[in-house]
Amino acid sequence: QVQLVESGGGVVQPGGSLRLSCVASGFTFSYYAMYWVRQAPGEGLEWVAFIQYDGSDKNYLDSVKGRFTISRDNSKKTLFLQMNNLRVEDTAVYYCAKALYTSTSWAAFDLWGRGTMVIASS
Amino acid sequence: QLVLTQSASASASLGASVKLTCTLSSGHSSYAIAWHQQQPEKGPRYLMKLNNDGSHSKGDGIPDRFSGSSSGAERYLTISSLQSEDEADYYCQTWGTGIHVVFGGGTKLTVL
Repeated sequence: QVQLVESGGGVVQPGGSLRLSCVASGFTFSYYAMYWVRQAPGEGLEWVAFIQYDGSDKNYLDSVKGRFTISRDNSKKTLFLQMNNLRVEDTAVYYCAKALYTSTSWAAFDLWGRGTMVIASS
Repeated sequence: QLVLTQSASASASLGASVKLTCTLSSGHSSYAIAWHQQQPEKGPRYLMKLNNDGSHSKGDGIPDRFSGSSSGAERYLTISSLQSEDEADYYCQTWGTGIHVVFGGGTKLTVL
């Protein structure tokens, strides 16, 4: 079954850390760039981070640079997002998403996970 | 700066058709987009990639009731024979080197 399953969300105090995971199945994970996208309560979608299919290139939303780190383990078909120094405004559902085409950087997203909720609150 | 503009809301009757619009900002009319559907309390679902010439490729299992078209800087999603499960938020997305990934603000579709 072709799917992405996120985990690792939770409630954390501002300044705290969380590590999100996204496990892929049903497709050759190592061929595709992957992304994290978030959605604050009642708001729209916002791209957060990108990683190339082989991990050779990464990019981030300006507001998370220096705090968030995207990585992947192709042998385990898993995508990660390490989130440090969390802020109240990082509160959102975090989704992982897959690029439509192989070996491209920026692309349409053709597969989404169900999301994991992150709440930064005191 | 590339901006995607969508109407905040739309409505249409059960069984009718509706056309949603995503407008690319000035100077970016050649960009392809993708349409995504987000039903209440669910993750987004990819509907289709839509090119500037109107050609489009739909995701697996997307019904024929969903189609796309383009005119200049506007990208359209048409849903025919509306069903209750089509009530959802619809987002357009574009991408590219330098712009990274951009989403429109979303259109909330109500099926009457």
